[in-house]
Amino acid sequence: GAVVSQHPSRVICKSGTSVKIECRSLDFQATTMFWYRQFPKKSLMLMATSNEGSKATYEQGVEKDKFLINHASLTLSTLTVTSAHPEDSSFYICSGLVTGTRIQYFGAGTRLSVL
Amino acid sequence: AQSVTQLDSHVSVSEGTPVLLRCNYSSSYSPSLFWYVQHPNKGLQLLLKYTSAATLVKGINGFEAEFKKSETSFHLTKPSAHMSDAAEYFCVFPHGSSNTGKLIFGQGTTLQVKP
Repeated sequence: GAVVSQHPSRVICKSGTSVKIECRSLDFQATTMFWYRQFPKKSLMLMATSNEGSKATYEQGVEKDKFLINHASLTLSTLTVTSAHPEDSSFYICSGLVTGTRIQYFGAGTRLSVL
Repeated sequence: AQSVTQLDSHVSVSEGTPVLLRCNYSSSYSPSLFWYVQHPNKGLQLLLKYTSAATLVKGINGFEAEFKKSETSFHLTKPSAHMSDAAEYFCVFPHGSSNTGKLIFGQGTTLQVKP
């Protein structure tokens, strides 16, 4: 299957700082990428849809100024958690959609801990 | 409304015995359906997919699933569980009849494999 690389795998930061997470499709072009958040023992919650060259579409209840998404190329999307607070601590997962299919390939996730 | 329900939040089997993870869906159209597996602190890996071809789908690691329209089910099975199968499993299908790329996730089933 297709490979999606997500970096970093784990990050610890101080409250009030910003953290950037990268999501790269390594062997396919992903015009659409998705960002999810997963709470312990829970399913994935879609945060936003990232489309190459256009603004991201955020799900209801997700603050777009808090979670900045940039999809500048067909293989890279970034999620920046701005002014992070302890309640932002979570597991964030990205995925890339294979064009012409409904299949998403997922990154390995980023564990964010805000102190 | 479209939905997917995983009937068991937790399944425990002994190593070498069969695995059955149940999934039912509700949709006004004939869906594609996927099973993903998530190992602890990892992203999701595609196990198998049904896309309106053969109703019995074979996936990786010896898993298979059968699409039964009359029962609106897509249960995941494996003849003999291995310790490495212990993980979280998600039954998933694409949202809507248009190709938005969004996925609807089941609640997840935790598979425990006992020695």
